[in-house]
Amino acid sequence: DTAVSQTPKYLVTQMGNDKSIKCEQNLGHDTMYWYKQDSKKFLKIMFSYNNKELIINETVPNRFSPKSPDKAHLNLHINSLELGDSAVYFCASSQSTNFQYFGPGTRLLVL
Amino acid sequence: AQSVTQPDIHITVSEGASLELRCNYSYGATPYLFWYVQSPGQGLQLLLKYFSGDTLVQGIKGFEAEFKRSQSSFNLRKPSVHWSDAAEYFCAVGGIILTGGGNKLTFGTGTQLKVEL
Repeated sequence: DTAVSQTPKYLVTQMGNDKSIKCEQNLGHDTMYWYKQDSKKFLKIMFSYNNKELIINETVPNRFSPKSPDKAHLNLHINSLELGDSAVYFCASSQSTNFQYFGPGTRLLVL
Repeated sequence: AQSVTQPDIHITVSEGASLELRCNYSYGATPYLFWYVQSPGQGLQLLLKYFSGDTLVQGIKGFEAEFKRSQSSFNLRKPSVHWSDAAEYFCAVGGIILTGGGNKLTFGTGTQLKVEL
């Protein structure tokens, strides 16, 4: 069983479209995260949810909106996609302050 | 603010040789320190972590790392590298405990390891 799963794995779309990425963890963790990895492999946290409550909201355009329907899921919706949004998006989860398990990533390409 | 520096962007070693990847951090208190590995097209896998206690920590795949507070370093080592170790290695620091739970990780820029056969 995959601990942290993301769908889709690849996403190719046109500028201006709206898209969503889904994340699910079956580890029973209470905290979930979204990270963005740019073309230079730099990883930066975007959001974090603890027990469905938003606790980190970094300087991210408000076109990005996370939603956590329950503790096991954290989705990322992106409106009006731009070329600069092309990146790999990683979901992660942790139990409180323990280490974070990462998902396999979603490779987003905006044309 | 917490930060991580990985001074080596690329490292090439011969299979069977020893390896040391450098990591320096900046954090005001005792940090939580991590090494993650990312194979091409894959997610990040935790190699090892340091929270407290023994400053020499053992991880998976034969890796170890040593926390040196005086040098603000957490270097990753392996005595004998295998070709399958070729990957991107990330050092991360996380000491900020978030209100309500969770841990804010700051990653270094990564070190790309190539292994020559």
